[in-house]
Amino acid sequence: RKEVEQDPGPFNVPEGATVAFNCTYSNSASQSFFWYRQDCRKEPKLLMSVYSSGNEDGRFTAQLNRASQYISLLIRDSKLSDSATYLCVVNPLGNQGGKLIFGQGTELSVKP
Amino acid sequence: EPEVTQTPSHQVTQMGQEVILRCVPISNHLYFYWYRQILGQKVEFLVSFYNNEISEKSEIFDDQFSVERPDGSNFTLKIRSTKLEDSAMYFCASSVSGLGYEQYFGPGTRLTVT
Repeated sequence: RKEVEQDPGPFNVPEGATVAFNCTYSNSASQSFFWYRQDCRKEPKLLMSVYSSGNEDGRFTAQLNRASQYISLLIRDSKLSDSATYLCVVNPLGNQGGKLIFGQGTELSVKP
Repeated sequence: EPEVTQTPSHQVTQMGQEVILRCVPISNHLYFYWYRQILGQKVEFLVSFYNNEISEKSEIFDDQFSVERPDGSNFTLKIRSTKLEDSAMYFCASSVSGLGYEQYFGPGTRLTVT
């Protein structure tokens, strides 16, 4: 099983659509979770951390289900500028060095 | 807003040559990292660095790689004898602390080994 696994994508959606990304992780002891976005040939940019209680930032909502080892990201009212690759990222527990493990990413293309 | 910076943006080198990639982490951050991304593949962890020591390294980070913080601001990655398969984008990142804290990435150095 991959350490972090995401929907393969790509997702092609019209402007204004709601889109959901799913991710599973294999290390049940993992404590820290993030969503990053990556534009073509650019660096990963932090979108949001994911907390156990779930969290929202404007049009973006992240959820964590520890029992299922599952993380999700919901984008509402998608914009053209949301087109990017979305990376599910996990920081394993007990690793004081802070190593991040990245999923393969899910590409999103928002069309007019 | 503070940013991680990296130089050069693109480095072309011949197989067997040494390269040094440079990074300036965010000034109040204490943990520093190098990651790489081969074209079309996922981002992979190379090494983490704290208090002038390597905290953790991956299997990729073999004897050909080394890291250094030569002064109070720079953080470098050296590849002693480059191979074709070292061609990748190399990202530096920094965080305020280790476990659980967000990491902020620099724009990357594209390394091409010919």
